Amino acid sequence: IVMTQSPATLSVSPGERATLSCRASQRVSTNVAWYQQKPGQAPRLLIYGASTRATAIPARFSGSGSGTEFTLTISSLQSEDFAVYYCQHYNRWPLFNFGPGTKVEIK
Amino acid sequence: EVQLVESGGGLVQPGGSLRLSCAASGFTFTNSWMSWVRQAPGKGLEWVANIKQDETEKYYVDSVRGRFTVSRDNAKKSLYLHMNGLRVEDTAVYYCVRDLSQQVGAFDVWGQGTMVTISS
Repeated sequence: IVMTQSPATLSVSPGERATLSCRASQRVSTNVAWYQQKPGQAPRLLIYGASTRATAIPARFSGSGSGTEFTLTISSLQSEDFAVYYCQHYNRWPLFNFGPGTKVEIK
Repeated sequence: EVQLVESGGGLVQPGGSLRLSCAASGFTFTNSWMSWVRQAPGKGLEWVANIKQDETEKYYVDSVRGRFTVSRDNAKKSLYLHMNGLRVEDTAVYYCVRDLSQQVGAFDVWGQGTMVTISS
C-alpha cells in the first residue's frame, strides 16, 4: 500500500487554517496516523485511528477520512506548528508505510 | 517520564556491522511491541523492523530482511538492532519507537535517534 501526500509544501500565514491530504493506494479503513516533525527532532504522534488525537495534542489538530482519503486539519496555525507532517497506515499491521510528508511553512 | 534512549550509531564502512541499543524507561516494557524506524538525511520516515513482547514474532521491511535482526532483553528493558552487510543506503537516523498497542499500529513514543553513516 503506497501513501501519497499533498501538497508537498503548504505556505500558510499564522492564524490561518491548514488542510493536509493523504491518500492510500488501497483501502485502509481508518488505520491511519499522523505525525509532526520539527527540524532536528523526532516525530511526534498527533492522530491515530484517522481522527483520535494522541495524548496532550491540542484541539486545533483534527483528522478525518476513511478508506483511501484522509485529511489533517490545523484550525489556526500557531508558530510552533510549522513543521513537516507525515501520514502512516497500519492496515497491514505489523507492517507499516509512511507518506512522503507535507512541509508547512510560513507564508 | 516515558523515555527511549538510543545508542550505538557511528561511521561504518560498507559491508560492516553495527548494533544499536535502546533503553526504555517510564513504562512497562514487557507490555509493548517495539519498532525501529529510520530516516535518511533530508528524507522521509521508513519503518524498519518490529518485535513482539515475547520475541516470538519479528517483522522486517524487505530492504533489510536477512541483514538486520531485531531483538530485546525484557529484563534490561532494552531493544536492539543488529545490522550486518551495511550499505550506503542504510545511512540514516535510527529511531527506537513504541507501538501504541497491538490493535493500533501507531508509534506513540520515540527516542531521540542515533545516526548511522555508511561510507568508505
